Amino acid sequence: GENVEQHPSTLSVQEGDSAVIKCTYSDSASNYFPWYKQELGKRPQLIIDIRSNVGEKKDQRIAVTLNKTAKHFSLHITETQPEDSAVYFCAASRGHKLSFGAGTTVTVRA
Amino acid sequence: DSGVTQTPKHLITATGQRVTLRCSPRSGDLSVYWYQQSLDQGLQFLIQYYNGEERAKGNILERFSAQQFPDLHSELNLSSLELGDSALYFCASSVGTSGGFNEQFFGPGTRLTVL
Repeated sequence: GENVEQHPSTLSVQEGDSAVIKCTYSDSASNYFPWYKQELGKRPQLIIDIRSNVGEKKDQRIAVTLNKTAKHFSLHITETQPEDSAVYFCAASRGHKLSFGAGTTVTVRA
Repeated sequence: DSGVTQTPKHLITATGQRVTLRCSPRSGDLSVYWYQQSLDQGLQFLIQYYNGEERAKGNILERFSAQQFPDLHSELNLSSLELGDSALYFCASSVGTSGGFNEQFFGPGTRLTVL
């Protein structure tokens, strides 16, 4: 089955700096890559996703890049704010099953 | 609000007991997924139903079972509960088409505590 690895496990950044989270996947047939943000005790919320026919997608301060050849994808958050502090999960999907990375705890220091 | 509802919000029970968690998907969604999230752990996929039929199975224990009813709501049954079953259980739903894209929306979760 699909195996998704996510790095780093924790990330501390100064407010206003950028944060980058990287994920690799094993199944070359995976074609959908969402990112979820989860605040403490709350549900995961989809923040951005990318399909395999696209190399990059941007939504305001958030961007995702995909390298299908290398089987890795990354989340970039620019101009970080305190409300960006949360756990971020990447995932990869082929068909109907999502395989999640282990998560990255992001802390934005004021 | 994702449109996915889960009940109850919290559940406290004892070892050896059996509980049922309930999920109602977003209007129009045919697929329901169940996930387990233990403390400081990621999201472990348990099982998926599509329009009443089991479609995919993950790391679901034999003590756990699920079903999806004709009105598309789903129930996750956990029996012979152990301390290690204490976790947040999330339900997610998606349209569930055969196109391969799988945008899932999560419910608020049920926090299960086994004492």
